[in-house]
Amino acid sequence: GAGVSQTPSNKVTEKGKYVELRCDPISGHTALYWYRQSLGQGPEFLIYFQGTGAADDSGLPNDRFFAVRPEGSVSTLKIQRTERGDSAVYLCASSFAGGGTDTQYFGPGTRLTVL
Amino acid sequence: KQEVTQIPAALSVPEGENLVLNCSFTDSAIYNLQWFRQDPGKGLTSLLLIQSSQREQTSGRLNASLDKSSGRSTLYIAASQPGDSATYLCAAPGYGGATNKLIFGTGTLLAVQP
Repeated sequence: GAGVSQTPSNKVTEKGKYVELRCDPISGHTALYWYRQSLGQGPEFLIYFQGTGAADDSGLPNDRFFAVRPEGSVSTLKIQRTERGDSAVYLCASSFAGGGTDTQYFGPGTRLTVL
Repeated sequence: KQEVTQIPAALSVPEGENLVLNCSFTDSAIYNLQWFRQDPGKGLTSLLLIQSSQREQTSGRLNASLDKSSGRSTLYIAASQPGDSATYLCAAPGYGGATNKLIFGTGTLLAVQP
């Protein structure tokens, strides 16, 4: 089947604007993850969903960041009042069951540029 | 707190050479460790997931080992090819045991010269 997909692939916005990034996980995967990757760095964990609920949001940097997964499939990462420091590639991943024992499969990412 | 370090940061080898990429982690109470490949401007491709009980995992020309006691993992690439050129990332669970929060190293940028 299809892999993890993310839209848009690129997003350019102005400082202070609101953005939404979308992730479609692999069909049947109950666990979904968001990571953020800055240039030259490894991905940094943001949030993990098991089903519809956020099981671990310890990586969200502040209250401008919020994510939802209302039906346990598609997830949206929402960033309010964007800042230039939010510029990065936002990666989504999914895994079959979560629990930390199975492979995480990553999407191609959304490159966010805040001007 | 889990910290992951990868050495070297960059590596250039001639085609056909065997090579080893190194990954170290500070919290050894992990159930598994995962290796990924990332091509420029792309997402991550999972290469190997090693469970702590396995100690070693192989896929084609790739072999990954895990030594929890020393906090180390290695990725061995046999008979390297130009198509292997990419950044290789290792990731360990963020807390002790099984956890969904992966902590990544900064990667090793591999260039295989034809």
